[in-house]
Amino acid sequence: QSALTQPPSASGSPGQSVTISCTGSSSDVGGYNHVSWFQVHPGKAPKLMIYEVTKRPSGVPDRFSGSKSGNTASLTVSGLQAEDEADYYCSSYAGRNNLVFGGGTKLTVL
Amino acid sequence: EVQLVESGGGLVQPGGSLRLSCAASGFTFRSYAMSWVRQAPGKGLEWVSDISGSGDGTDYADSVKGRFTISRDNSKNTLYLQMNSLRADDTAVYYCAKSPSFTVTTVIDYWGQGTLVTVSS
Repeated sequence: QSALTQPPSASGSPGQSVTISCTGSSSDVGGYNHVSWFQVHPGKAPKLMIYEVTKRPSGVPDRFSGSKSGNTASLTVSGLQAEDEADYYCSSYAGRNNLVFGGGTKLTVL
Repeated sequence: EVQLVESGGGLVQPGGSLRLSCAASGFTFRSYAMSWVRQAPGKGLEWVSDISGSGDGTDYADSVKGRFTISRDNSKNTLYLQMNSLRADDTAVYYCAKSPSFTVTTVIDYWGQGTLVTVSS
């Protein structure tokens, strides 16, 4: 069982928006602004999409955005495109040099 | 371009040992903390261990403490994970991962493609 809870699946049609949640506790998500989101395509290395809750690394489309409220973080993908279909994982710093992860969400573009 | 290439995975019997390596390129290796993260079949990601840029600071998940040792050779731009007393529940894809920080790993900005470790008799 993963430390952070994500829905196992999410879906949307091209052009729509979809939001994926990531629920932790006051010891991780709620306690630090170090929530990240990763995109994983089959057979590929995970790719950082969001860090420090809301920041996008260079090269990540602004269709990807992050937010946090209390112990729950969220990733929103706007204007869904076929290439967005992938697994998405959240992570959070949990103190004492420890990172925790979610169980992953499979995003399907219908 | 940052590249992280893992090697050393394979099939090992319970109780056995294995050493994973991660060859890094495209950045100043000694300036950044590095981690190992694993994913068991059908499960989520699990942080295993990390090490500071100098190698002086290390930390481990409780599940591997006392059995795994992380180390690095900054002259060879290589990260290692020595895994001893392996158990079936250590079966996973092991990823090498880079932090944008010298010491504390609060985020991973680059990942390797992973190497599969299977512990089975």
